[in-house]
Amino acid sequence: SAVISQKPSRDICQRGTSLTIQCQVDSQVTMMFWYRQQPGQSLTLIATANQGSEATYESGFVIDKFPISRPNLTFSTLTVSNMSPEDSSIYLCSVDRANTGELFFGEGSRLTVL
Amino acid sequence: GESVGLHLPTLSVQEGDNSIINCAYSNSASDYFIWYKQESGKGPQFIIDIRSNMDKRQGQRVTVLLNKTVKHLSLQIAATQPGDSAVYFCAERSGFNKFYFGSGTKLNVKP
Repeated sequence: SAVISQKPSRDICQRGTSLTIQCQVDSQVTMMFWYRQQPGQSLTLIATANQGSEATYESGFVIDKFPISRPNLTFSTLTVSNMSPEDSSIYLCSVDRANTGELFFGEGSRLTVL
Repeated sequence: GESVGLHLPTLSVQEGDNSIINCAYSNSASDYFIWYKQESGKGPQFIIDIRSNMDKRQGQRVTVLLNKTVKHLSLQIAATQPGDSAVYFCAERSGFNKFYFGSGTKLNVKP
């Protein structure tokens, strides 16, 4: 399985500010995915981060709110912009294993917006 | 597809009993399914997977059943242990390598 590291693991943020979450993988991967998990709920796909092209966003998520970077095959960032308390969630980075399609997750970044 | 819900359904079982966790998926074109276990404060952990050309797959103490006719998955855990207590999610692969998650079930194992 891939080793996925996320930073920060948790943070408390003020309303109106922005926070960038980093995701580092120990091997090169084609696709990286960002998910959101609101308190007590399931995982919702935010976007797919592809190296060399713009991220592909799911319905209900927009680039202005969740800008994503993918500068190389082992790293991606997700920014949560102009945060409100409704953005309090766990944000999870995931990657797929190329030859089998299995999806692996990092430990997530738990954001609390006051 | 986005899963919406304020409360996860809970399954309580006695240690040593078998557990069955169910999941309905939404896309009949989904070709691959994974069950995940998520413990408090951690990311989802891969348990077992199954491709759409199969209807059953067994692992160590776990079995996944797939019924494509009714778009239903189940996860069976044999001889459930306290360490199995967690939230369990099914995920379906639709589109180009995108996974969408079910609403989840909280498994509570009583000693």
